[in-house]
Amino acid sequence: DAKTTQPPSMDCAEGRAANLPCNHSTISGNEYVYWYRQIHSQGPQYIIHGLKNNETNEMASLIITEDRKSSTLILPHATLRDTAVYYCIVRVPGVRGSQGNLIFGKGTKLSVKP
Amino acid sequence: DAGVIQSPRHEVTEMGQEVTLRCKPISGHNSLFWYRQTMMRGLELLIYFNNNVPIDDSGMPEDRFSAKMPNASFSTLKIQPSEPRDSAVYFCASSPVAGTNYGYTFGSGTRLTVV
Repeated sequence: DAKTTQPPSMDCAEGRAANLPCNHSTISGNEYVYWYRQIHSQGPQYIIHGLKNNETNEMASLIITEDRKSSTLILPHATLRDTAVYYCIVRVPGVRGSQGNLIFGKGTKLSVKP
Repeated sequence: DAGVIQSPRHEVTEMGQEVTLRCKPISGHNSLFWYRQTMMRGLELLIYFNNNVPIDDSGMPEDRFSAKMPNASFSTLKIQPSEPRDSAVYFCASSPVAGTNYGYTFGSGTRLTVV
C-alpha cells in the first residue's frame, strides 16, 4: 500500500471550510484513497473514498489531483462536532472490491474553534 | 440498525487473568476486523475475518492473543494471560465483503486496563 503523509494538526474556524491535505506520491493506478475520522473516545467513522474523480457526499468532498499524487478532503462548513483526527488511507481494494484490511496512520488532528 | 455492538465497554483486570472481548457485527456484514488503539502505536489491525474465516492474523501480538468467529453474528478476542502492556482500547469493525462503496462501521470499543 502506498504511504501517505498528512500534517499532524490543523485549526479551522467554525463555519468555514476545512481543507485537509494528504500526499500519496507513490500511489499506483488501482489504489483508492479512503478517508476516515475519529472523534475523541469513539470508533473511527467512514467519510468518503475515491479513485481518480472528485467525489462528494453528505459529509464531505474529496478532491484528487490529476496525477493522483495528492488529495484534499473538504468539510464545507466545519462545526465544533467536526473536531477529530482525520485519516487518509491509500490501498488496493480487497476481496471482491471491498475496502479490505485498512491500515491507519497517525492522521491529522483537526480542531474547529468558535 | 444497532450498529456494531461491543462488550464490555470497560474492563479492569489483574495481570495474569484471562480477558474476553465480544463483538456483534452488523447483520449482513461478512467482514469483521479487530483493532487495538494506544497512544504510542495508534490504531493497529490485529486480525480480520471474511465469512467467519480468519484471513490475516499477522497483527496479533503474540500467542497470548486469540480470536474466533463461530458464526456470522459473533466474534471474540481473548487474551490469556493478560499483561499491563495489553492495556488499550480494542475496536471491532464490520463491513460487507463486496463493494468499495461501503466503509467500515466501528463499534464503540472496549477500554481494557490490566493492573
